[in-house]
Amino acid sequence: SQTIHQWPATLVQPVGSPLSLECTVEGTSNPNLYWYRQAAGRGLQLLFYSVGIGQISSEVPQNLSASRPQDRQFILSSKKLLLSDSGFYLCAWDFSSGREQKQFFGPGTRLTVL
Amino acid sequence: SQQGEEDPQALSIQEGENATMNCSYKTSINNLQWYRQNSGRGLVHLILIRSNEREKHSGRLRVTLDTSKKSSSLLITASRAADTASYFCATTGGGGNKLTFGTGTQLKVEL
Repeated sequence: SQTIHQWPATLVQPVGSPLSLECTVEGTSNPNLYWYRQAAGRGLQLLFYSVGIGQISSEVPQNLSASRPQDRQFILSSKKLLLSDSGFYLCAWDFSSGREQKQFFGPGTRLTVL
Repeated sequence: SQQGEEDPQALSIQEGENATMNCSYKTSINNLQWYRQNSGRGLVHLILIRSNEREKHSGRLRVTLDTSKKSSSLLITASRAADTASYFCATTGGGGNKLTFGTGTQLKVEL
């Protein structure tokens, strides 16, 4: 069966510091991968998605970047964090074949920028 | 940007009652999905309804879709305290599997 992992679970970082959040998927190959941000009490905003290694699409201009160095690894990064980067970051995957269009979500990372 | 708007934003009911949540969207869709999120956790897929379907059931869940009104509803029958969570609708449209989420409804089921 497939599983998705995110770490760290929580993170407190000062403004201006770098960021690296990691997401890995097990039990499937060539998944589509997604990074979302959720502000407190709000819905999810799609930040990046990837259909394959090295292929990243950005949905909104921002202070963040994403990379996919391996088939089942998706990394969210920033060189210098802003206060507005605080939020709950969720990674998700789905089947690239489109046979099931539902997405499977990781447990999330709570980021607080002080 | 958020495509879906959900109504109500918050809903509090007694255990055993039915809970109805509504979702409206703006553009044409391929399908509409409902997800559940427990506080501080990831989302879990509940049910998917395709644009050519009008109603779908899964256990205590009933989803309707009215494409002419660009709206959907999620009904949870005989609610339980364990149903307490936030519920989000999400749509796919055009090419690809990208989801556009609504703002969510916070459901509280009290004993």
